[in-house]
Amino acid sequence: KAGVTQTPRYLIKTRGQQVTLSCSPISGHRSVSWYQQTPGQGLQFLFEYFSETQRNKGNFPGRFSGRQFSNSRSEMNVSTLELGDSALYLCASSLDTYNSPLHFGNGTRLTVT
Amino acid sequence: AQSVTQLGSHVSVSEGALVLLRCNYSSSVPPYLFWYVQYPNQGLQLLLKYTSAATLVKGINGFEAEFKKSETSFHLTKPSAHMSDAAEYFCAVSKTGANSKLTFGKGITLSVRP
Repeated sequence: KAGVTQTPRYLIKTRGQQVTLSCSPISGHRSVSWYQQTPGQGLQFLFEYFSETQRNKGNFPGRFSGRQFSNSRSEMNVSTLELGDSALYLCASSLDTYNSPLHFGNGTRLTVT
Repeated sequence: AQSVTQLGSHVSVSEGALVLLRCNYSSSVPPYLFWYVQYPNQGLQLLLKYTSAATLVKGINGFEAEFKKSETSFHLTKPSAHMSDAAEYFCAVSKTGANSKLTFGKGITLSVRP
């Protein structure tokens, strides 16, 4: 079974631009979560989608948004990029049953210049 | 609000030595606790999780962790370190048990000396 796939693997953008990251969950997984990982702040929860609805949200500004499609694939969008948005963005999927673990992708490394 | 504290950012052990990575939690409700490992340029992989079924939890790759409520701790151990254990380790807590909203610690980098 294929794992969680995140594209692109690396991305370089300029301040003020916007970016869209993609995540394909493991087949059958309906829950998709996004995390931001930086050396200073560590791993921080962004949001979670389940059946195309945002179910949980972290403490990030409105510039960070996401969506989930009917096939459970998810995208996250960051508008008006800032230097501080440079990070590894990790997507994780889950069966969403009790005790079902998160399966993480290898992440998208975003660099904002 | 729940949180986890991982003291220190780096631990170095010799191959074959005991590995001990510390994690203390703070939670207003009985927590669900996890340990994840991250190898360079990869995502996170679940090592083990505590969900109140048993206080001693065995995970993959020979790791285990013991939940101690009196000490609010969930330390990760492995009797004998292997070179392949070198990675970053994260402790995480969830209030609801839903794996989707985890609060992670800062992480500890484990180095293994030959």
